[in-house]
Amino acid sequence: ETVMTQSPATLSVSPGEGVTLSCRASQSIKSDLDWYHQRPGQAPRLLIYRGSSRATGIPARFRGSGSGTDFTLTISSLQSEDFGLYFCQQYNNWPFTFGPGTMVDIK
Amino acid sequence: QVVLQESGPGLVKPSETLSLTCTFFNGSMNSTNFYWGWIRQAPGKGLEWIASVFFRGDTHFNPSLRSRVTISVDTSKSQFSLRLRSVTAADTAVYYCARDALLLRGFDLWGQGTTVTVSS
Repeated sequence: ETVMTQSPATLSVSPGEGVTLSCRASQSIKSDLDWYHQRPGQAPRLLIYRGSSRATGIPARFRGSGSGTDFTLTISSLQSEDFGLYFCQQYNNWPFTFGPGTMVDIK
Repeated sequence: QVVLQESGPGLVKPSETLSLTCTFFNGSMNSTNFYWGWIRQAPGKGLEWIASVFFRGDTHFNPSLRSRVTISVDTSKSQFSLRLRSVTAADTAVYYCARDALLLRGFDLWGQGTTVTVSS
């Protein structure tokens, strides 16, 4: 099983600032990684697939990068709707596994 | 607009079986482009993938739950279902059904989630 880790666990950010979230896999997963955003009380929403492709309707301020074991999600100029939990997920091998998440909250 | 919606009891007794159904509205499940999956989230915790099923019935399971899980699909009803046997309090969670888009390789459509509590 591929274990996913994320850092930091929590990030306090002011609206308009940029952030970088990290995700690491315990073994190489090529670019087989997705990023999701979850607001409180809501289901997760797909942001990025295949490591760097934005899902439908996702604005350009979200950028995914990385391959192998190290991945990054960069959000430029955070908007109020961007706060919440961010998860990475690998689909390179079964079972699919998620990272523990990074909480982005308002400073 | 395509929608997924979970249904099932919100309270299950310990040692019994949790049964949930997910209905896909405004679309067909008869597609080679998607798997259909169940994912759960325990209170204050992260996401855990449980199992996925293809429209032809091919299945994949999380080994940590494999011995207790059944997943099935009924394309004529546009539904897929989850059964989790011998539940304990550790199975208390929000259960989501989701569509795994094979062209993207991501869960691109999610139900709103249903809370299941295991308690006597």
